Amino acid sequence: EVQLVESGGDLLQPGGSLRLSCATSGFSFSGYGMTWVRQSPGKGLEWVSSISENGADTFYADSVKGRFTISRDKSKNTVYLQMNSLRAEETAIYYCAKNHQGVQSPFDSWGQGTLITVSP
Amino acid sequence: SYVLTQPPSVSVAPGKTARITCEGDKIGSYSVHWYQQKPGQAPVMVVYYLDRPSGIPDRFSGSNSGNTATLTITRVEAGDEADYYCQVWDSGDDHWVFGGGTKMTVL
Repeated sequence: EVQLVESGGDLLQPGGSLRLSCATSGFSFSGYGMTWVRQSPGKGLEWVSSISENGADTFYADSVKGRFTISRDKSKNTVYLQMNSLRAEETAIYYCAKNHQGVQSPFDSWGQGTLITVSP
Repeated sequence: SYVLTQPPSVSVAPGKTARITCEGDKIGSYSVHWYQQKPGQAPVMVVYYLDRPSGIPDRFSGSNSGNTATLTITRVEAGDEADYYCQVWDSGDDHWVFGGGTKMTVL
């Protein structure tokens, strides 16, 4: 059974930094792209970032490019999202998702999400 | 950047057919995927590449042509009440794009 477990959510001030982790199990980690998606309270889904199977290619939403960094560690079957210069409007649940195959394929499994609150 | 437009809400009676649209410029040339999200839960993929993941009832289907993609849910049940999102990969920008979501209410 595929499992994705996010961690690292917290309450922090604007301008702060945070690293999210997504521990995975139940599938061959190195064979799939991985993605982060966020959802602000009462709002829709927003794609944040994706990383290719081998980590060589990364993709970012324009709103986070230059501030967020996605990475993966195949020895730990874990994907990360380093977030810097966080803004109040980035308060959201951050979901980790597994791509069906490569990064251009849809998200067939999702974690339960981790909450980030950015507030003075 | 590519934009996907969904109606904010649709309502349907139990047992009837619901159709949720997703509009985008020449969306018929894209692969469109659909997700269901119930309150307090993570999204679940219900249609991908016009197909269904295992475990998704055959009441769910997708179609796509011209400037409109459609998620069709037949014989609607109370348990289908949820938010539904369409999604495409925009190869021009190498970005994933979601529609704004449609809240489906079962009357």
